[in-house]
Amino acid sequence: EAGVAQSPRYKIIEKRQSVAFWCNPISGHATLYWYQQILGQGPKLLIQFQNNGVVDDSQLPKDRFSAERLKGVDSTLKIQPAKLEDSAVYLCASSSWRGNSPLHFGNGTRLTVT
Amino acid sequence: AQSVSQHNHHVILSEAASLELGCNYSYGGTVNLFWYVQYPGQHLQLLLKYFSGDPLVKGIKGFEAEFIKSKFSFNLRKPSVQWSDTAEYFCAVNPPFNAGGTSYGKLTFGQGTILTVHP
Repeated sequence: EAGVAQSPRYKIIEKRQSVAFWCNPISGHATLYWYQQILGQGPKLLIQFQNNGVVDDSQLPKDRFSAERLKGVDSTLKIQPAKLEDSAVYLCASSSWRGNSPLHFGNGTRLTVT
Repeated sequence: AQSVSQHNHHVILSEAASLELGCNYSYGGTVNLFWYVQYPGQHLQLLLKYFSGDPLVKGIKGFEAEFIKSKFSFNLRKPSVQWSDTAEYFCAVNPPFNAGGTSYGKLTFGQGTILTVHP
C-alpha cells in the first residue's frame, strides 16, 4: 500500500510569514494526526481528526495554527504568523478506523523559521 | 495526563553488544504500548506493540519488549545489535481506542533515544 504522503519536504520562511503543509493519508484511513517534533524531543500531537471531524486539538496553538481535513481525506496544516519556536518537523500520520490500529507516518515537513 | 519518559538520550554500542532501552510511562489506566523506530532519513516505523496478553512481545528485526505493569515500564531489548540498528527509538503509549466513548487513542511519545552502533 502507498504510504502517507506529505509536502513539501522542507520549508524555510521568515518569522511572521505564513506557511501551509499538506498531507494525503493512506487510502481508507479514517483517522489523521498532525504531530510537531522539535529537535531533541519526541513528536507532540497537535490535532487528531476522525474522518473530517476534530476529536482532539487540545495542544494546537489556535491563535496561529489551523488545520482542516477536506471530505475526510487530505488535510492541510497552516501556521499564520510563524514564530521562531515553530521551527520543527511536522509529521502527518494516519490509522484505520479499527480500534487500536497502529499509526503510519509520513516523512514529515522540516520547517525552519528565521 | 499521560506522559512517557525514556531513560537515555544517546546510547553508543559496538556490534554484537546487547541493548536495553528504558521506558516508563505515567497513566492511570489501561494503556497500549509501542516502540517506534526512525532510521536516518526515513519516517517513523512501528517496531512492536503491546495491547494485552503475554507481557513479552516480539517485534521486527529481533527486537523484543517486556511490559512490567507494577513498574509502569516497557523496556526495549535486543540480544545482539547490528550497525543497521543505528536509529532513533521512541516509546509511546495511548489509552485503548474507544469510539463509543471518549478515547480516540491519543498517542503520547517519549523524547527518544538515539542509538549509535559502531561496526
